Amino acid sequence: GAVVSQHPSWVICKSGTSVKIECRSLDFQATTMFWYRQFPKQSLMLMATSNEGSKATYEQGVEKDKFLINHASLTLSTLTVTSAHPEDSSFYICSATQGGGGYTFGSGTRLTVV
Amino acid sequence: GENVEQHPSTLSVQEGDSAVIKCTYSDSASNYFPWYKQELGKRPQLIIDIRSNVGEKKDQRIAVTLNKTAKHFSLHITETQPEDSAVYFCAASIGGNTPLVFGKGTRLSVIA
Repeated sequence: GAVVSQHPSWVICKSGTSVKIECRSLDFQATTMFWYRQFPKQSLMLMATSNEGSKATYEQGVEKDKFLINHASLTLSTLTVTSAHPEDSSFYICSATQGGGGYTFGSGTRLTVV
Repeated sequence: GENVEQHPSTLSVQEGDSAVIKCTYSDSASNYFPWYKQELGKRPQLIIDIRSNVGEKKDQRIAVTLNKTAKHFSLHITETQPEDSAVYFCAASIGGNTPLVFGKGTRLSVIA
C-alpha cells in the first residue's frame, strides 16, 4: 500500500532555532500534502494544505512566515518551523493524497523546543 | 467550512461489551467518513471508512453506519477486547484533494 515516510521521528531544539520536517511518498505521487499539528490529548488540527509546485494554503491562525511549507516535487514536502519557541512543541504529522478519498499518514514528528 | 463533532470524549466498557462512538458533520458535501485508531505517539491507523453512497459497512467486529439526512455517522465495536483501548477519531472530507477534518476524539478504555 501507499507509504509516507516522515523524518525525523523526534527532535529537540533550542528556542529560536529552526527545524525542518520531511515527508516523502515512497510508492506514489502525492498531488496534495496536508500538515497537521496535534497537542497532547487533543485532535489533529489542520495547519496547511500544499499542492506540488504551488504555494501552500494555511488555515486561519497559522502563521505562514513561521511554518514554511515547500512541496517542490510530487514525492517530497517539507515543513520548517522557524524561530521555534516552547509553545511550538507538538506532534506534527503529514498526510498525502492522490485524490479519490485515500489518505496516507506519515509517522509523525515529536518536536520539543527547550 | 466543515465541522465534525464527536461524542463521547471518554468511554469505558467491560471486556466483551459493545462500544459506540458517534459523530456529526456540518457540510452536506462531505462524502468520505473514515475512522482512525491512534495509540500514543503514533500515526492514526485507519480502521474502517464509509462513503456517502453506502449506509453501513462492517469488518469483523467493527461497523460504521452513516445517515446522510441527519449528517451523522457512528462506529460500533462489538466484543471489545483490552487491545481495543486507544483514542478513536472520526473524520470527514468532501473528497478530491481536500483535507480530512477530525473530530476531537474518544478515549476508549476496555476493562478486563
